[in-house]
Amino acid sequence: GENVEQHPSTLSVQEGDSAVIKCTYSDSASNYFPWYKQELGKGPQLIIDIRSNVGEKKDQRIAVTLNKTAKHFSLHITETQPEDSAVYFCAALSLGGDYKLSFGAGTTVTVRA
Amino acid sequence: DAMVIQNPRYQVTQFGKPVTLSCSQTLNHNVMYWYQQKSSQAPKLLFHYYDKDFNNEADTPDNFQSRRPNTSFCFLDIRSPGLGDAAMYLCATSLGRTNEKLFFGSGTQLSVL
Repeated sequence: GENVEQHPSTLSVQEGDSAVIKCTYSDSASNYFPWYKQELGKGPQLIIDIRSNVGEKKDQRIAVTLNKTAKHFSLHITETQPEDSAVYFCAALSLGGDYKLSFGAGTTVTVRA
Repeated sequence: DAMVIQNPRYQVTQFGKPVTLSCSQTLNHNVMYWYQQKSSQAPKLLFHYYDKDFNNEADTPDNFQSRRPNTSFCFLDIRSPGLGDAAMYLCATSLGRTNEKLFFGSGTQLSVL
Protein backbone atom coordinates (compact mmCIF):
# COMPACT_ATOMS: atom_id res chain seq x y z
CA GLY A 1 0.00 0.00 0.00
CA GLU A 2 0.84 3.65 -0.20
CA ASN A 3 3.06 5.21 2.49
CA VAL A 4 3.14 8.99 2.83
CA GLU A 5 5.78 10.69 4.95
CA GLN A 6 5.42 14.32 5.95
CA HIS A 7 7.97 16.77 7.32
CA PRO A 8 8.35 18.70 9.49
CA SER A 9 5.95 17.64 12.23
CA THR A 10 5.91 21.17 13.65
CA LEU A 11 6.70 24.49 12.02
CA SER A 12 6.82 27.93 13.60
CA VAL A 13 7.09 30.97 11.35
CA GLN A 14 6.97 34.71 11.80
CA GLU A 15 3.92 36.40 10.37
CA GLY A 16 4.65 37.45 6.81
CA ASP A 17 7.27 34.76 6.23
CA SER A 18 6.78 31.67 4.06
CA ALA A 19 6.06 28.14 5.23
CA VAL A 20 6.96 24.98 3.35
CA ILE A 21 5.78 21.46 4.13
CA LYS A 22 7.18 18.47 2.27
CA CYS A 23 5.75 15.02 1.63
CA THR A 24 7.04 11.91 -0.05
CA TYR A 25 5.04 8.96 -1.29
CA SER A 26 5.98 5.41 -2.13
CA ASP A 27 3.49 4.24 -4.76
CA SER A 28 4.44 5.46 -8.23
CA ALA A 29 0.83 4.80 -9.31
CA SER A 30 -0.46 7.59 -7.06
CA ASN A 31 -1.77 10.41 -9.19
CA TYR A 32 -3.82 12.70 -6.96
CA PHE A 33 -2.36 14.72 -4.09
CA PRO A 34 -4.63 16.85 -1.90
CA TRP A 35 -3.72 19.03 1.07
CA TYR A 36 -6.06 19.44 4.02
CA LYS A 37 -6.06 22.10 6.73
CA GLN A 38 -7.47 21.22 10.13
CA GLU A 39 -8.16 23.96 12.61
CA LEU A 40 -8.53 23.17 16.29
CA GLY A 41 -11.75 21.33 17.01
CA LYS A 42 -12.78 21.11 13.37
CA GLY A 43 -12.66 18.57 10.59
CA PRO A 44 -10.03 18.76 7.84
CA GLN A 45 -10.83 21.04 4.93
CA LEU A 46 -9.40 20.67 1.44
CA ILE A 47 -7.30 23.72 0.59
CA ILE A 48 -5.56 22.71 -2.63
CA ASP A 49 -4.91 19.61 -4.69
CA ILE A 50 -2.80 18.60 -7.65
CA ARG A 51 -2.89 15.81 -10.20
CA SER A 52 0.12 14.01 -11.52
CA ASN A 53 -0.12 15.59 -14.96
CA VAL A 54 0.65 19.01 -13.45
CA GLY A 55 3.88 20.15 -11.83
CA GLU A 56 2.61 23.17 -9.93
CA LYS A 57 -0.67 24.73 -8.90
CA LYS A 58 -1.28 28.02 -7.17
CA ASP A 59 -4.25 29.55 -5.39
CA GLN A 60 -3.60 33.00 -3.97
CA ARG A 61 -1.07 32.55 -1.14
CA ILE A 62 -0.84 28.79 -1.33
CA ALA A 63 0.87 26.67 -3.94
CA VAL A 64 1.66 23.01 -4.36
CA THR A 65 4.53 21.53 -6.37
CA LEU A 66 4.90 17.94 -7.48
CA ASN A 67 8.00 16.04 -8.55
CA LYS A 68 6.83 12.70 -9.92
CA THR A 69 10.30 11.41 -10.57
CA ALA A 70 11.38 11.95 -6.99
CA LYS A 71 7.89 11.10 -5.65
CA HIS A 72 7.58 14.15 -3.50
CA PHE A 73 5.25 17.11 -3.30
CA SER A 74 5.27 20.28 -1.24
CA LEU A 75 2.90 22.91 0.09
CA HIS A 76 4.05 26.52 0.06
CA ILE A 77 2.29 29.25 2.01
CA THR A 78 3.50 32.78 1.37
CA GLU A 79 2.91 35.90 3.46
CA THR A 80 1.69 33.81 6.37
CA GLN A 81 -1.03 35.19 8.61
CA PRO A 82 -2.20 34.15 12.09
CA GLU A 83 -5.24 32.42 10.57
CA ASP A 84 -2.86 30.06 8.76
CA SER A 85 -2.08 28.45 12.11
CA ALA A 86 -3.47 24.91 11.91
CA VAL A 87 -2.52 21.30 11.28
CA TYR A 88 -1.86 20.52 7.62
CA PHE A 89 -2.12 17.02 6.16
CA CYS A 90 -0.86 15.89 2.81
CA ALA A 91 -2.36 12.83 1.16
CA ALA A 92 -1.93 10.64 -1.87
CA LEU A 93 -4.37 8.59 -3.89
CA SER A 94 -4.13 6.19 -6.78
CA LEU A 95 -7.19 6.84 -8.87
CA GLY A 96 -6.69 3.55 -10.61
CA GLY A 97 -6.19 1.61 -7.43
CA ASP A 98 -8.24 0.88 -4.36
CA TYR A 99 -9.31 4.52 -4.04
CA LYS A 100 -7.99 4.85 -0.50
CA LEU A 101 -6.57 8.18 0.49
CA SER A 102 -3.30 7.79 2.42
CA PHE A 103 -2.57 10.67 4.78
CA GLY A 104 0.71 11.99 6.06
CA ALA A 105 1.11 12.36 9.82
CA GLY A 106 0.45 16.10 9.76
CA THR A 107 2.35 19.33 10.35
CA THR A 108 1.37 21.75 13.09
CA VAL A 109 1.98 25.25 11.77
CA THR A 110 2.14 28.16 14.19
CA VAL A 111 2.32 31.69 12.82
CA ARG A 112 3.83 34.10 15.35
CA ALA A 113 2.46 37.62 15.32
CA ASP B 1 -24.97 25.78 2.62
CA ALA B 2 -24.58 22.17 1.67
CA MET B 3 -22.48 20.42 4.23
CA VAL B 4 -21.64 17.42 6.34
CA ILE B 5 -23.15 17.60 9.81
CA GLN B 6 -22.10 15.49 12.76
CA ASN B 7 -23.95 15.14 16.02
CA PRO B 8 -23.27 15.38 18.79
CA ARG B 9 -20.18 17.59 18.87
CA TYR B 10 -19.03 15.97 22.12
CA GLN B 11 -20.07 12.57 23.40
CA VAL B 12 -19.23 11.02 26.74
CA THR B 13 -19.91 7.36 27.35
CA GLN B 14 -18.99 4.79 29.93
CA PHE B 15 -16.65 1.89 29.43
CA GLY B 16 -18.62 -0.89 27.71
CA LYS B 17 -21.77 1.18 27.14
CA PRO B 18 -22.88 1.22 23.48
CA VAL B 19 -22.77 4.55 21.75
CA THR B 20 -23.94 5.81 18.36
CA LEU B 21 -22.57 8.74 16.46
CA SER B 22 -24.48 10.27 13.58
CA CYS B 23 -23.65 12.01 10.34
CA SER B 24 -25.85 13.64 7.76
CA GLN B 25 -25.04 15.27 4.46
CA THR B 26 -26.84 17.64 2.13
CA LEU B 27 -24.33 17.22 -0.70
CA ASN B 28 -26.10 14.19 -2.16
CA HIS B 29 -22.76 12.41 -2.38
CA ASN B 30 -22.64 8.71 -3.08
CA VAL B 31 -19.82 7.84 -0.71
CA MET B 32 -19.71 8.31 3.05
CA TYR B 33 -16.72 7.54 5.25
CA TRP B 34 -15.95 7.19 8.91
CA TYR B 35 -12.48 8.09 10.15
CA GLN B 36 -10.99 7.81 13.62
CA GLN B 37 -8.49 10.49 14.58
CA LYS B 38 -6.47 10.32 17.77
CA SER B 39 -4.58 13.25 19.16
CA SER B 40 -1.77 14.51 16.90
CA GLN B 41 -2.34 11.72 14.37
CA ALA B 42 -3.67 11.50 10.85
CA PRO B 43 -7.25 10.37 10.29
CA LYS B 44 -7.55 6.59 10.04
CA LEU B 45 -10.22 5.14 7.78
CA LEU B 46 -12.57 2.73 9.54
CA PHE B 47 -15.02 1.97 6.70
CA HIS B 48 -16.97 3.54 3.92
CA TYR B 49 -20.22 3.15 2.04
CA TYR B 50 -20.54 3.49 -1.69
CA ASP B 51 -24.30 3.89 -1.87
CA LYS B 52 -25.39 0.85 0.16
CA ASP B 53 -22.24 -1.10 -0.53
CA PHE B 54 -20.36 -1.40 2.78
CA ASN B 55 -16.55 -1.58 2.76
CA ASN B 56 -14.76 -2.41 5.97
CA GLU B 57 -11.04 -1.79 6.47
CA ALA B 58 -9.17 -4.95 7.36
CA ASP B 59 -7.89 -3.58 10.66
CA THR B 60 -11.15 -2.03 11.86
CA PRO B 61 -12.12 -3.75 15.12
CA ASP B 62 -15.34 -5.78 15.17
CA ASN B 63 -16.48 -3.46 17.94
CA PHE B 64 -17.19 -0.83 15.30
CA GLN B 65 -20.24 -1.10 13.07
CA SER B 66 -21.93 1.25 10.66
CA ARG B 67 -25.34 1.79 9.16
CA ARG B 68 -26.46 3.85 6.22
CA PRO B 69 -30.27 3.83 6.08
CA ASN B 70 -30.43 6.30 3.20
CA THR B 71 -28.23 8.55 1.08
CA SER B 72 -28.19 11.36 3.61
CA PHE B 73 -27.47 9.60 6.88
CA CYS B 74 -24.74 7.36 8.21
CA PHE B 75 -24.23 6.07 11.74
CA LEU B 76 -21.23 4.75 13.62
CA ASP B 77 -22.03 2.25 16.35
CA ILE B 78 -19.46 1.31 18.94
CA ARG B 79 -20.82 -1.77 20.69
CA SER B 80 -18.56 -1.86 23.73
CA PRO B 81 -16.32 1.21 23.92
CA GLY B 82 -12.96 0.80 25.53
CA LEU B 83 -10.65 3.51 26.83
CA GLY B 84 -8.63 3.18 23.63
CA ASP B 85 -11.64 4.19 21.55
CA ALA B 86 -11.57 7.73 22.90
CA ALA B 87 -10.88 9.84 19.83
CA MET B 88 -12.30 12.31 17.35
CA TYR B 89 -14.59 10.56 14.86
CA LEU B 90 -14.83 12.23 11.51
CA CYS B 91 -17.48 11.66 8.89
CA ALA B 92 -16.64 12.55 5.30
CA THR B 93 -18.29 12.33 1.92
CA SER B 94 -17.19 12.27 -1.67
CA LEU B 95 -19.16 12.46 -4.87
CA GLY B 96 -17.98 9.22 -6.40
CA ARG B 97 -15.95 6.08 -5.99
CA THR B 98 -12.71 7.68 -7.06
CA ASN B 99 -12.50 9.25 -3.62
CA GLU B 100 -11.45 12.69 -4.72
CA LYS B 101 -12.21 15.80 -2.72
CA LEU B 102 -13.35 14.58 0.64
CA PHE B 103 -15.73 16.84 2.52
CA PHE B 104 -15.38 16.40 6.27
CA GLY B 105 -17.77 17.18 9.06
CA SER B 106 -16.57 18.91 12.22
CA GLY B 107 -16.28 15.61 14.02
CA THR B 108 -17.55 14.11 17.26
CA GLN B 109 -15.10 14.03 20.16
CA LEU B 110 -15.75 10.81 22.06
CA SER B 111 -14.67 10.41 25.67
CA VAL B 112 -14.84 7.04 27.43
CA LEU B 113 -14.96 7.09 31.21
